[in-house]
Amino acid sequence: AQSVTQLGSHVSVSEGALVLLRCNYSSSVPPYLFWYVQYPNQGLQLLLKYTSAATLVKGINGFEAEFKKSETSFHLTKPSAHMSDAAEYFCAAYRRSQGNLIFGKGTKLSVKP
Amino acid sequence: SAVISQKPSRDICQRGTSLTIQCQVDSQVTMMFWYRQQPGQSLTLIATANQGSEATYESGFVIDKFPISRPNLTFSTLTVSNMSPEDSSIYLCNTGSNTEAFFGQGTRLTVV
Repeated sequence: AQSVTQLGSHVSVSEGALVLLRCNYSSSVPPYLFWYVQYPNQGLQLLLKYTSAATLVKGINGFEAEFKKSETSFHLTKPSAHMSDAAEYFCAAYRRSQGNLIFGKGTKLSVKP
Repeated sequence: SAVISQKPSRDICQRGTSLTIQCQVDSQVTMMFWYRQQPGQSLTLIATANQGSEATYESGFVIDKFPISRPNLTFSTLTVSNMSPEDSSIYLCNTGSNTEAFFGQGTRLTVV
């Protein structure tokens, strides 16, 4: 069965430091992958998506992610963390058989001043 | 693209009662999905709402507890029946494709 694994339920970085949030997927066919952000008491906001075009995907708020087929990964990065980046981040994959998204368990990002 | 209007945005309900959540899409869509997000958890698919047929439920979710209607291609409802505090969650409806996903604003349900 298709699955999405996010390594690290909680990541803490200092302001200005590199942000790296890990996501691995399992799929026998090329996947469509998404990263969402959820701020406290708010809905999901799409950060970026991979739809089999460029492997390096740039999103909003300075985030980007690189699709690596050999590693079955789609890690999210940002060169310099900002306090406003503190939120929950979800990686998701499109499930072709059902037409819905499968979500990872989420990673809570904390940013220290 | 699609815009989904979901209501209510939040509710506090007594245990043993039922709540019906509505989602209206501004265009016709084939597939609509209902998700649950328990406190501090990720999103879990409850069911796929099919127009003209019964909903398809994921493992662990049953029709008696979460009846779903899909009367046309722009509207769906999810009912949370005989609620208990464990049903306190955010419920979201969703539609989309392999390259796009659209979510309702969510319904924050608290059962007391």
